[in-house]
Amino acid sequence: AQSVSQHNHHVILSEAASLELGCNYSYGGTVNLFWYVQYPGQHLQLLLKYFSGDPLVKGIKGFEAEFIKSKFSFNLRKPSVQWSDTAEYFCAVTVNTGGFKTIFGAGTRLFVKA
Amino acid sequence: DTGVSQNPRHKITKRGQNVTFRCDPISEHNRLYWYRQTLGQGPEFLTYFQNEAQLEKSRLLSDRFSAERPKGSFSTLEIQRTEQGDSAMYLCASSFLRQGALGANVLTFGAGSRLTVL
Repeated sequence: AQSVSQHNHHVILSEAASLELGCNYSYGGTVNLFWYVQYPGQHLQLLLKYFSGDPLVKGIKGFEAEFIKSKFSFNLRKPSVQWSDTAEYFCAVTVNTGGFKTIFGAGTRLFVKA
Repeated sequence: DTGVSQNPRHKITKRGQNVTFRCDPISEHNRLYWYRQTLGQGPEFLTYFQNEAQLEKSRLLSDRFSAERPKGSFSTLEIQRTEQGDSAMYLCASSFLRQGALGANVLTFGAGSRLTVL
């Protein structure tokens, strides 16, 4: 069965620290890859996506992610976090099993200390 | 367009009762998804529709759960004979992707309907 694994459930950083959140998926076919973010009190929203082409993708608020096909990974990075990045981050993969089903990881809760 | 709308936002019910949640997707979106989320977990896929057709249903979903999207617009998720284990946030999301088209299936989520079963 398809699955998504996020390596860290809770991360605490100070402002200006660098961030990397790990994500691995298990599926042998073509995938779309996503990071969604949920800020406190808000809906889940798209942070960035990979469909094809350049495996290094850039999203909103200075986030980027790199797709490494050989490692089935799609890690999220940000060089310098801000207090406003405090949120829960979900890695997701869309698999084509006759339809388009999106599967989510368990999430990583990030807290940035001011 | 006001995005994806879900009602009610909160529902408290007694075990054994039936509950129904409604989702109004973005009007031009042809795909609609239902997810369930519990504390500390990511959204768990339940089912999805392309227009009015229910294309996939999670094997984790018991027969007590049923979803409809009668005219390819709004959708309802009904839970019959609720159990305490059904307590969760039920999320609806919609997207637009033509069948056979290439492209990223970006989901737009609603605020969710929180169910508490006593």
